[in-house]
Amino acid sequence: DAKTTQPPSMDCAEGRAANLPCNHSTISGNEYVYWYRQIHSQGPQYIIHGLKNNETNEMASLIITEDRKSSTLILPHATLRDTAVYYCAETNAGGTSYGKLTFGQGTILTVHP
Amino acid sequence: GAGVSQSPSNKVTEKGKDVELRCDPISGHTALYWYRQRLGQGLEFLIYFQGNSAPDKSGLPSDRFSAERTGESVSTLTIQRTQQEDSAVYLCASSPTGAPYNEQFFGPGTRLTVL
Repeated sequence: DAKTTQPPSMDCAEGRAANLPCNHSTISGNEYVYWYRQIHSQGPQYIIHGLKNNETNEMASLIITEDRKSSTLILPHATLRDTAVYYCAETNAGGTSYGKLTFGQGTILTVHP
Repeated sequence: GAGVSQSPSNKVTEKGKDVELRCDPISGHTALYWYRQRLGQGLEFLIYFQGNSAPDKSGLPSDRFSAERTGESVSTLTIQRTQQEDSAVYLCASSPTGAPYNEQFFGPGTRLTVL
């Protein structure tokens, strides 16, 4: 099974970039990297995903190292509303349910004024 | 459009009772997933449905857990003879095709408390 590890918590000042790391020690070549976030009592919200290339959307940027063993989620200008638990996840390598996600334990990001 | 909905939002039950949790996926999504989230933990995969294919039940923790899905619509997760360790938030997600490049859309979850 996939093994993803994240720091348990991080702080960031409002307006600064938040860089959240994730290690993907067992990732294989065709497993996608996903990032979700979860605000208290809500379901996870999709942020971004990628396979090999760096990705950017209106919410965030995703940097994946060349060996794919680590990824970084970047929130370019963090706001107080970005305070949440951020999860990295990997899809299954193949087989009958290759879209299923294996989640890390999450990083609690606190954005302070 | 409507997102993934789940009911009930909260369920309190006594140990040993059976419970049924419901998930309504986004219309047209062929793939449906159930996950469990224990307090302060990440999400654990439970079961996956894809169209009319046999479901992947590899994440179900015991034979007290079962799930059904009729076609590409509603799914129910049933837990028989509930135990206190079953207390968790049960999350349902759907995606258009189940392909790994399709994001999953999550419902708000059902918080189950077993007394």
